[in-house]
Parts: sequence; C-alpha cells; structure tokens
Amino acid sequence: SSELTQDPAVSVALGQTVTITCQGDSLRSYYASWYQQKPGRAPVLVIFGKDNRPSGIPDRFSGSTSGNTASLTITGARAEDEGDYYCNSRDSSGNHLGVFGGGTKLTVL
Amino acid sequence: HLQLQESGPGLVKPSETLSLTCTVSGGSISSTSFYWGWIRQPPGKGLEWIGSIYYSGTTYYNPSLESRVTMSVDTSKNQFSLKLSSVTAADTAVYYCERHETWNSGSYIDYWGQGTLITVSS
Repeated sequence: SSELTQDPAVSVALGQTVTITCQGDSLRSYYASWYQQKPGRAPVLVIFGKDNRPSGIPDRFSGSTSGNTASLTITGARAEDEGDYYCNSRDSSGNHLGVFGGGTKLTVL
Repeated sequence: HLQLQESGPGLVKPSETLSLTCTVSGGSISSTSFYWGWIRQPPGKGLEWIGSIYYSGTTYYNPSLESRVTMSVDTSKNQFSLKLSSVTAADTAVYYCERHETWNSGSYIDYWGQGTLITVSS
C-alpha cells in the first residue's frame, strides 16, 4: 500500500521561511493536498493541486512537487501558522484520498 | 456557505456497529462535481481515510477497513452515512465527514464537518 512520510516536528523563527516535506511514491503520479490543523479543530485545506490556495489562505503558503516529494513552504511564518500539517494524495490504486502523511507539528519560535 | 454536521451516538460497545450520519446544508449532495466521505483521527494521532461515496451511490473504501465499512447516501435528505461493524477500542477516534473533489491528477477536501468523538467501550 502507499505511504506518505513527513518529519514529525519542524520549528521556524518568527518571520522566517520554513518548508515541510512529504515523500511517497504516489506523489510521482498525483499532486498532494496540504491541511493545517489546530488543537480541537477540523483540518483546513491550505494547498491543492500544482500550487493552488483556497480563498482566504494567505499567499505566504505555497506548494511544489519534485519527483516523489511534495513540499509546503511558508514564507514569513507568523505565530498563527503554528499547528499540525498533513499531506494527502490519491494512493497507488487511485483511491481519491487514499493516504495521509503522519503529520508535521510546526512550532513558530 | 456549505456546512456538514455529523450525528450519531458518542459511545459504542465493542463488537457492535458504529453508525454515523452527515447532514449537508447550504448545497446539494447531488452535485456532479464532488464526492463525500469520512475521515477519522484517533486521539493524539494522525488522519485516516475511511471511504468516499458519490451521489449515485458508488463507493470507494480504504482497503484496510473495507470488510467492515458500509457507506450510503440519501439524496432526498441531503445526507450520507457510515456504518463500521465489529468495532474495537482501536476504532475510538474523532470522525469527520467531508466533501472532496477529485480529478486525474489529485484530490482535495474543501469542506469538513466539525467532527464527532466516538468512543468504543463497554
């Protein structure tokens, strides 16, 4: 079965740039989508497709893919960006939301 | 503005069947552009896809749960439902209903319910 691998924790200084990565074979065929989750809340979509932001998501969030790695970059991190970030993609069988990464806890220092 | 709301008992006994319903408001579940589904998150852990359903009733299930999962849709009530049989403590989680779009190159979830904690315990 497909797997997506994320670093468990990443930290960034306030105002600096941070990249969160997601690795997996399914990313050679499918784009990742990225979700931000804060404690006790449902996840929120921040990036989908090649590099698309839903309405209301600040342009400091961007996405990219190279080979089997998808990346979420936050340029000029703010305190409110702290939270858990999950990647997701279709899996090798083509299931729509087949596989999630294990999540990355982002701390803004 | 689309809203999704999960409903169902918060406590289920081991070996019994978990049943949840998601009510969609502010939009039609019969939209041809979207799929509907369930995601769960055990306490302190990550997200897991359970399954997806189209308004026509076509279903897609996570292979690891497929033998225990049944999803259905009621377009007249703008609702879709989840049944998970033979539950154990490992099925204790926050269950989210969601709407997603999928195309040849990917998928994304644009709307989530608030989530409901389901505890499996005797």
